[in-house]
Amino acid sequence: DTGVSQDPRHKITKRGQNVTFRCDPISEHNRLYWYRQTLGQGPEFLTYFQNEAQLEKSRLLSDRFSAERPKGSFSTLEIQRTEQGDSAMYLCASSLVQGAGEQFFGPGTRLTVL
Amino acid sequence: QKEVEQDPGPLSVPEGAIVSLNCTYSNSAFQYFMWYRQYSRKGPELLMYTYSSGNKEDGRFTAQVDKSSKYISLFIRDSQPSDSATYLCAMRLNTPLVFGKGTRLSVIA
Repeated sequence: DTGVSQDPRHKITKRGQNVTFRCDPISEHNRLYWYRQTLGQGPEFLTYFQNEAQLEKSRLLSDRFSAERPKGSFSTLEIQRTEQGDSAMYLCASSLVQGAGEQFFGPGTRLTVL
Repeated sequence: QKEVEQDPGPLSVPEGAIVSLNCTYSNSAFQYFMWYRQYSRKGPELLMYTYSSGNKEDGRFTAQVDKSSKYISLFIRDSQPSDSATYLCAMRLNTPLVFGKGTRLSVIA
């Protein structure tokens, strides 16, 4: 399977703990995106990378959130001191820079904060 | 007013019906328009994209964009129970996609 992969698929944690998610994009895609989706809502943009450079962050990305893409391949999203409001599906997508830049999504990581 | 408005449904139709899904938007600068299908607890799957105004057809699916009205549509012909899912419209000017809430569709056999 050469699509976008995410790990873990599910994460249950207690409030105040740190969590880290990983995303592996489609291999030739140089752009990688993180979105968050809550129940009954569409995905909301968090941040994106072009190669290893983080080019844009939304105001949803509080200072408890940090994302990296150190070698321009996989990316990690870390949430520190988790809160119950962080419970959501965290989606990763990737695209090429050229053309329409269609974004292809992974299966998501479902986070539950108790 | 949200940038992208989409009726969440639910929408229930009999098998074989033509389904019409719609979104309106407020930002006239949007240039790329997409439709995604999302099954329960899965990631969104790209169905179609359209650049600027016009129609695009792919099998049973037709996407329409009317930029003058800031209105986009997705039509599904000969709907099947396997089409039961949430359909998300999305659009962008630069890089981040802006999504609607999604419309939940059930096709009843």
